[in-house]
Amino acid sequence: SYVLTQPPSVSVAPGQTATVTCGGNNIGSKTVHWYQQKPGQAPVLVVYDDNDRPSGIPERFSGSNSGNAATLTISSVEAGDEADYYCQVWHSISDSYVFGTGTKVTVL
Amino acid sequence: QVQLVESGGGVVQSGRSLRLSCAASGFTFSSYPMHWVRQAPGKGLEWVAFISYDGSNQYYADSVKGRFTISRDNSKNTLYVQMNSLRAEDTAKYYCAREELHMNRAFDIWGQGTVVSVSS
Repeated sequence: SYVLTQPPSVSVAPGQTATVTCGGNNIGSKTVHWYQQKPGQAPVLVVYDDNDRPSGIPERFSGSNSGNAATLTISSVEAGDEADYYCQVWHSISDSYVFGTGTKVTVL
Repeated sequence: QVQLVESGGGVVQSGRSLRLSCAASGFTFSSYPMHWVRQAPGKGLEWVAFISYDGSNQYYADSVKGRFTISRDNSKNTLYVQMNSLRAEDTAKYYCAREELHMNRAFDIWGQGTVVSVSS
């Protein structure tokens, strides 16, 4: 099965940039999506197709994908960005959808 | 507005069955592939099952294959998952999610989830 590995936690000061990585074998050949989940709430899609944003998502959220790692970047971090973030891909070989292990972003 | 509402969760003994439902509103349900995703207490997201817009195709995670069955009734705008032979490790909050047609298999709409607790 296909595995996506994320760092368990990332800490960032307000106004700085947070970077969350998602590692997978040749993930650059896949399309990556990112979700934000705040405590007690359902996940929310924040980036799709590697680097597109759904309507209503601030431009501060961006993504990239190449080689064996995809990245979610949150610029000018705000207290409200504190949440768990998950990457996700479609693994066509096994007809399965795979989520990353998740990263807790803490705003200091 | 676009909405998904899950129901049917509860406490069930190991080895028993449970059926979850997900009522959709605010969009043309019959046009969209749908999914079940679960989250064990304190853990990450785990994809469970997929069904195509017309119900003709289903995919399952290895952890539930042969025990869970996803289905839909487009006349009732409702998604289901029949869960048999439940195990303690199936304890989780279960979310239904819509797969957006133009977002390359991303899940753009999620319900608030329903909790399943399997007791041994």
